Amino acid sequence: SAVISQKPSRDICQRGTSLTIQCQVDSQVTMMFWYRQQPGQSLTLIATANQGSEATYESGFVIDKFPISRPNLTFSTLTVSNMSPEDSSIYLCSVSGTSETQYFGPGTRLLVL
Amino acid sequence: TQLLEQSPQFLSIQEGENLTVYCNSSSVFSSLQWYRQEPGEGPVLLVTVVTGGEVKKLKRLTFQFGDARKDSSLHITAAQPGDTGLYLCAGDNYGQNFVFGPGTRLSVLP
Repeated sequence: SAVISQKPSRDICQRGTSLTIQCQVDSQVTMMFWYRQQPGQSLTLIATANQGSEATYESGFVIDKFPISRPNLTFSTLTVSNMSPEDSSIYLCSVSGTSETQYFGPGTRLLVL
Repeated sequence: TQLLEQSPQFLSIQEGENLTVYCNSSSVFSSLQWYRQEPGEGPVLLVTVVTGGEVKKLKRLTFQFGDARKDSSLHITAAQPGDTGLYLCAGDNYGQNFVFGPGTRLSVLP
């Protein structure tokens, strides 16, 4: 299994600002995924980040709001732009492992005031 | 659109009791995963089931994949407070995407 770290682990931000979340994996992986988990809810896929190409966004999520970088096979960032209180969530990155599974980072807890 | 349903949504039991959590869909998945998520943590993979009818055991946890690969169950024997958490099932759509269920929030009281 992959070991995944995220920074920051939590943050409190003001409305209208932006926050960039980092995801680091201890091995090279082809696909990285960014999820949002709103309070008390399950996981919703934001986008798939592929190295060397633009991220693929799910319905309801756009690049202007959630720009993603994937500079190499072990690292990705997700930016939450022009934040509002509705963006308060846990943001999780994950990677595909063997046997058709996903491994998750510990998440970034974001509170927007 | 593929959807996964989980039941029950919430479950509060006493230590030592048995319980079963269900994950259902009208769609066929190539595999299905069960995760447990504790507060402040990311989901942790418990098991992956691939073959229809497959049964896997992980200590006190028993996982079953339906014959038609549309549903799954998780049975916990003699639940302990350490089993408390959010249990999520996720279906793999033949490598195209993962679909997560809404989760079952389990609380095991000492």
